[in-house]
Amino acid sequence: AQSVTQPDIHITVSEGASLELRCNYSYGATPYLFWYVQSPGQGLQLLLKYFSGDTLVQGIKGFEAEFKRSQSSFNLRKPSVHWSDAAEYFCAVVTPVRSSASKIIFGSGTRLSIRP
Amino acid sequence: SQTIHQWPATLVQPVGSPLSLECTVEGTSNPNLYWYRQAAGRGLQLLFYSVGIGQISSEVPQNLSASRPQDRQFILSSKKLLLSDSGFYLCAWSGTGDPNEKLFFGSGTQLSVL
Repeated sequence: AQSVTQPDIHITVSEGASLELRCNYSYGATPYLFWYVQSPGQGLQLLLKYFSGDTLVQGIKGFEAEFKRSQSSFNLRKPSVHWSDAAEYFCAVVTPVRSSASKIIFGSGTRLSIRP
Repeated sequence: SQTIHQWPATLVQPVGSPLSLECTVEGTSNPNLYWYRQAAGRGLQLLFYSVGIGQISSEVPQNLSASRPQDRQFILSSKKLLLSDSGFYLCAWSGTGDPNEKLFFGSGTQLSVL
């Protein structure tokens, strides 16, 4: 069965420091991968997505993610975090269930705290 | 433009009482619809998805059920709530033109079962 693992439940980094959030997936075919962010009191927002092509994907808010098939990973990175990046981050994998529909499986999330 | 409405925003229910959460989508037709539950420390768990009227797929065995009586209406129900049903419930939709379109989420319902 398809699954997504985010091994880090909670990460704290200093403002201005670099960030990497880990995501590993289990899926037999070529995966379609997403990163979502959920800020306190707000809904879920799509940061970036990978379907095919260039394995380094650029997203909004200065985030990027790199797809590594050999490691079954899709880690999220940001070179310099801002206090406003404090939020919960979810990795997700898309599983087509028919030609016009798919289901999306999320990881358990990583809560990011920013140290002033 | 497309919008998704989910209500109520918060709900407090006693154990054993019934549940009905409603979600409607506007501005699109034949969307894929989803119910997720976000429990503390467990991330977003897919409960049900629907690719059309009356077509419901359940992802996990549980005390809940879902129905899609109309194209853009998705209802989450329970006959008797359990304490473990507490959590934050999110409805979402995606388009059918591209099966890998992103999800659009509703604002969620915080359910507390006491």
